[in-house]
Amino acid sequence: QKEVEQNSGPLSVPEGAIASLNCTYSDRGSQSFFWYRQYSGKSPELIMSIYSNGDKEDGRFTAQLNKASQYVSLLIRDSQPSDSATYLCAVNLAGTASKLTFGTGTRLQVTL
Amino acid sequence: DVKVTQSSRYLVKRTGEKVFLECVQDMDHENMFWYRQDPGLGLRLIYFSYDVKMKEKGDIPEGYSVSREKKERFSLILESASTNQTSMYLCASSLGLLTGFTDTQYFGPGTRLTVL
Repeated sequence: QKEVEQNSGPLSVPEGAIASLNCTYSDRGSQSFFWYRQYSGKSPELIMSIYSNGDKEDGRFTAQLNKASQYVSLLIRDSQPSDSATYLCAVNLAGTASKLTFGTGTRLQVTL
Repeated sequence: DVKVTQSSRYLVKRTGEKVFLECVQDMDHENMFWYRQDPGLGLRLIYFSYDVKMKEKGDIPEGYSVSREKKERFSLILESASTNQTSMYLCASSLGLLTGFTDTQYFGPGTRLTVL
């Protein structure tokens, strides 16, 4: 079992819809969770971090964390074509100091 | 704004050459990281450093070494490049918070290395 798992996609949503991206992780003791966006040929850029159970909102983005079920999700409201990218989930697995373990990413396509 | 720069965007080397990839951050971050990214495999940690002259192996250190002589600079060295080291190499840095939580890693633009 991979330590951080994401569906590779592509996830296709129409412009204006809500995109829902999911990530599961193996270590129940994990404390820190991050979502990065990566455009083709570019490096990852941070969208949001989340540390506590529940929802965290930033503009059109909402991160949701459920430690009991070991998943973290990212919702993108009013999806735009510019949101088309690969979204990487990253988790600081317990006992790994400052290291992050990344999922392989979900490719999102927002269609006109 | 955090700025992480890498010495080259594209690099082509021959098998057996010694290759140096340089990374510089300007935000006085304690931690620096080197990853490689390959299709289907995601980001994999090669080495990281949490202080000057300190280094720790990541998940795939074989064939690589690193150097951190100054806080702002972290170098990745391929002692004898091989074709299976053709990849995108990404450097990242993080502040190094002394809390129970891990802080954000900020990435450089990446170096696409091709070994012929």
